[in-house]
Amino acid sequence: GAGVSQTPSNKVTEKGKYVELRCDPISGHTALYWYRQSLGQGPEFLIYFQGTGAADDSGLPNDRFFAVRPEGSVSTLKIQRTERGDSAVYLCASSLGRGVTGELFFGEGSRLTVL
Amino acid sequence: KQEVTQIPAALSVPEGENLVLNCSFTDSAIYNLQWFRQDPGKGLTSLLLIQSSQREQTSGRLNASLDKSSGRSTLYIAASQPGDSATYLCAVRPGAGNNRKLIWGLGTSLAVNP
Repeated sequence: GAGVSQTPSNKVTEKGKYVELRCDPISGHTALYWYRQSLGQGPEFLIYFQGTGAADDSGLPNDRFFAVRPEGSVSTLKIQRTERGDSAVYLCASSLGRGVTGELFFGEGSRLTVL
Repeated sequence: KQEVTQIPAALSVPEGENLVLNCSFTDSAIYNLQWFRQDPGKGLTSLLLIQSSQREQTSGRLNASLDKSSGRSTLYIAASQPGDSATYLCAVRPGAGNNRKLIWGLGTSLAVNP
């Protein structure tokens, strides 16, 4: 696609529920990143994929968070047993990958609200 | 540990002014630095990317400079317009070790008044 696409744009859920957030990166971009951003803060790194594999998942806050990218394109961020503190905007970005300029292109984000 | 600071936190100017946003970083060993724009409730739009070997990049009314030795980057906006109102963030990609995690400033919130 022309840009990074994220769905849903808004998600309201109840505490304890399971949530999936989807990211469709720019076509041909091998690197994909998930960040989350709370109000008034800069983005917080969660996980980075190079192709299908998670090259760095050190930013995932705990084992309730998991992300996959089975075919090296679309990625899904999964959050189990959501808590109110998970409320944030979840941002996805892609880039051409290692060895190139490294410029990141972000989607519009998925705003998650946990009641 | 790399830290990124943006000053000022907020800026309000009349339309037409030229203005400078500042970004400073503590470790000069960077791979590149990227400036982003964020509108309220929206994602991040890449404005300019400066590689560590470059001194500046220009796009339209925007010019970003990089001085690695002093740990500074500036974003210059010429002839500001109300449509420039947004939060501007800079992010540094460290040059060593795990270079996949961008280190972010907290942003400068810009308001350009008609």
